[in-house]
Amino acid sequence: ETGVTQSPTHLIKTRGQQVTLRCSSQSGHNTVSWYQQALGQGPQFIFQYYREEENGRGNFPPRFSGLQFPNYSSELNVNALELDDSALYLCASSFGTLANYGYTFGSGTRLTVV
Amino acid sequence: KNEVEQSPQNLTAQEGEFITINCSYSVGISALHWLQQHPGGGIVSLFMLSSGKKKHGRLIATINIQEKHSSLHITASHPRDSAVYICALREGADGLTFGKGTHLIIQP
Repeated sequence: ETGVTQSPTHLIKTRGQQVTLRCSSQSGHNTVSWYQQALGQGPQFIFQYYREEENGRGNFPPRFSGLQFPNYSSELNVNALELDDSALYLCASSFGTLANYGYTFGSGTRLTVV
Repeated sequence: KNEVEQSPQNLTAQEGEFITINCSYSVGISALHWLQQHPGGGIVSLFMLSSGKKKHGRLIATINIQEKHSSLHITASHPRDSAVYICALREGADGLTFGKGTHLIIQP
């Protein structure tokens, strides 16, 4: 049974660029949620994908978008990067949107925008 | 929106001490999670609670739904327990709402 894998682990981008972060779900999980964690803060919910559709969204602008694929892996895309987008991006997979069996988290992608 | 308050924000203790971390919230929830985050950033799920008490090794988690309060206890603490401990709430299908975390350091 594999856990959640995120790639890349670290990334540096320039303001205004676009970035794609990737997440593979734990085997048997069909739901992926994404979180942004600024330095010294708790993670903030970005959105959740279930059966390839966005199933819930936090307070993030439309330039944060995502995809989920038939194998339940997922991408987070951020357009027009801003300095404040520098953060650790975490994904978590679960079985079902209510995650009645809990979540498995990835190790995160640390994005630096310069 | 649920407000999550964790206390203390920072805690330094000696090896062997009994540790308690608290979490309070403002609105009813479906489940409460205790998570552990190490300096590299990865998060490990410790407990998921909707009522009562759970125990795993030296870790114990309790929740009081009426008082909207949960505690995480660590018995016989060890330096390897040093990490950030985060309380996170699930209210429905909209992901988790996280506290800011408690930064725990256990000194040998």
